[in-house]
Amino acid sequence: DTGVSQDPRHKITKRGQNVTFRCDPISEHNRLYWYRQTLGQGPEFLTYFQNEAQLEKSRLLSDRFSAERPKGSFSTLEIQRTEQGDSAMYLCASSSARGSYTDTQYFGPGTRLTVL
Amino acid sequence: AQKITQTQPGMFVQEKEAVTLDCTYDTSDPSYGLFWYKQPSSGEMIFLIYQGSYDQQNATEGRYSLNFQKARKSANLVISASQLGDSAMYFCAMREANTGNQFYFGTGTSLTVIP
Repeated sequence: DTGVSQDPRHKITKRGQNVTFRCDPISEHNRLYWYRQTLGQGPEFLTYFQNEAQLEKSRLLSDRFSAERPKGSFSTLEIQRTEQGDSAMYLCASSSARGSYTDTQYFGPGTRLTVL
Repeated sequence: AQKITQTQPGMFVQEKEAVTLDCTYDTSDPSYGLFWYKQPSSGEMIFLIYQGSYDQQNATEGRYSLNFQKARKSANLVISASQLGDSAMYFCAMREANTGNQFYFGTGTSLTVIP
């Protein structure tokens, strides 16, 4: 399977705990995106990497959120001191190196976070 | 203002019939791309079809076609010969050339195919 993969698929945690999610993009894609999707809504952009550089961050990405892509391959999204409002599906996507607005983003299966 | 508007929260269609899912968009950028994704209950967003702002013809991909009306800023998805496996959430999305790399998504339409 050469699609985008995410781990874990489900995470249940208690409020105040830290959680970390991993995303492995399609191997030839140098662009990687994180989105958050809450119930009944479409995905909302969080952040974007080109290779290892984090080039864009949404206002949704509070100080408790941090994302890395250390070697330009996989990426991690960490949420510190989780709150119940962080409960959502976290989606990762990747796209090719053309960098055009025509690029299709291919999504992974998502990590569903539940904060108790 | 919403970049993408999907006004149909839920739609029903009889198996083997065609269905149109509505999408309108708002942008002042002359260069943009429009995308449709399917999201089954498993959660993964599956790419269906793409239409560029300069494309003269409507995009088609198998049973999916995009009814692109640029002046009306609409990009409706048409699914022909509906199948039970088409039951899912459908999201319209847009990416603009001049405002970065993110996609703007609508709130989605839940499609149920009735046997």
